[in-house]
Amino acid sequence: DAGVIQSPRHEVTEMGQEVTLRCKPISGHDYLFWYRQTMMRGLELLIYFNNNVPIDDSGMPEDRFSAKMPNASFSTLKIQPSEPRDSAVYFCASSTLRETGELFFGEGSRLTVL
Amino acid sequence: GENVEQHPSTLSVQEGDSAVIKCTYSDSASNYFPWYKQELGKRPQLIIDIRSNVGEKKDQRIAVTLNKTAKHFSLHITETQPEDSAVYFCAATSNYGQNFVFGPGTRLSVLP
Repeated sequence: DAGVIQSPRHEVTEMGQEVTLRCKPISGHDYLFWYRQTMMRGLELLIYFNNNVPIDDSGMPEDRFSAKMPNASFSTLKIQPSEPRDSAVYFCASSTLRETGELFFGEGSRLTVL
Repeated sequence: GENVEQHPSTLSVQEGDSAVIKCTYSDSASNYFPWYKQELGKRPQLIIDIRSNVGEKKDQRIAVTLNKTAKHFSLHITETQPEDSAVYFCAATSNYGQNFVFGPGTRLSVLP
């Protein structure tokens, strides 16, 4: 398996623009997580899905953030409108309880909002 | 909810020395405690984990100890090497494999 695949790897946009980050989890994994990483706040869990259903979105900072998982192999994290304080690295991770509790992270999407 | 603290925030050791990173957690229901290593510009990757029914686990130069009574767990790296330089994150969860709460991280530098 190629691992968790995220796109884009880098995104530079201007304040007010819509940003869409994409994730393909490892095949067979039934949990998908979106994390945000910044120097100030570390690794923050934004939302996670089980079998494509959002289970806990209490970490989503505000209504400008939304996440979807239309099927087992694809998820998106959308920010609309984006703000400079959204600049961070966004990681997607997947796991399955059928094996271990290990989170497999993607390479991350580095977002810069000017 | 769970709260995980981690100390120290930065740690410098001489190559060959040992390094110890400590974490405390707040939720007594937490039962799974993984450690992740993140090299500069890379993704976090699991290096070792421990479950609440075990007090210690070792894998070559790394080991983790757990004290459930005191609600703390520690990562021990022996015979450190330059490639051990990275940020290390501890985590705790009461839902095995689900909503991990990560500590703030420890930046380890191994000096040659």
